[in-house]
Amino acid sequence: KAGVTQTPRYLIKTRGQQVTLSCSPISGHRSVSWYQQTPGQGLQFLFEYFSETQRNKGNFPGRFSGRQFSNSRSEMNVSTLELGDSALYLCASSLVVRGAFQETQYFGPGTRLLVL
Amino acid sequence: EDQVTQSPEALRLQEGESSSLNCSYTVSGLRGLFWYRQDPGKGPEFLFTLYSAGEEKEKERLKATLTKKESFLHITAPKPEDSATYLCAVQGLNNNDMRFGAGTRLTVKP
Repeated sequence: KAGVTQTPRYLIKTRGQQVTLSCSPISGHRSVSWYQQTPGQGLQFLFEYFSETQRNKGNFPGRFSGRQFSNSRSEMNVSTLELGDSALYLCASSLVVRGAFQETQYFGPGTRLLVL
Repeated sequence: EDQVTQSPEALRLQEGESSSLNCSYTVSGLRGLFWYRQDPGKGPEFLFTLYSAGEEKEKERLKATLTKKESFLHITAPKPEDSATYLCAVQGLNNNDMRFGAGTRLTVKP
């Protein structure tokens, strides 16, 4: 079974631009979560989507947004990029049964974003 | 608020020298505690999920244990390929997200 895939793997942007990252979950997984990982803050939760609805959100500004499609694929958007947004953005998927809380999350390889 | 503290921050071992990594947590009702391994520039790789105090799980040279306040990841006779950052995370009963610790960076020298 294929794992979680993320595109692109690397991205370079300049301040003020916006960026869209994509995530395809493991087949059959309906929950997708996004995380930001930086050397100083570690792994921080951005948001979680299930059945095209955002179920939970971390403490990030509104510049960070996401969405999920009917096939469970998800996109994350960051508008008005700042230097501090440089990070590894990780997507994770999990199998959710009957709308219950998600369990073990499986991560993709991440998208490395550099903001200049 | 859920919190996870991992120690030590870094650990250097000789090949074959067994040791343990610690993950202390506070959570309002534990749904699950998770261990991941992360290699540089890659996404975390799932290792174990533990659900209740007293539970233990093993995989090759790794063994994870859980109490009501902490979890240990025991590494027996490590090899250089075990070098990685080991992450611990908890999921509470009242939320859908996972709270991660800062990780322990393990280096195993041949």
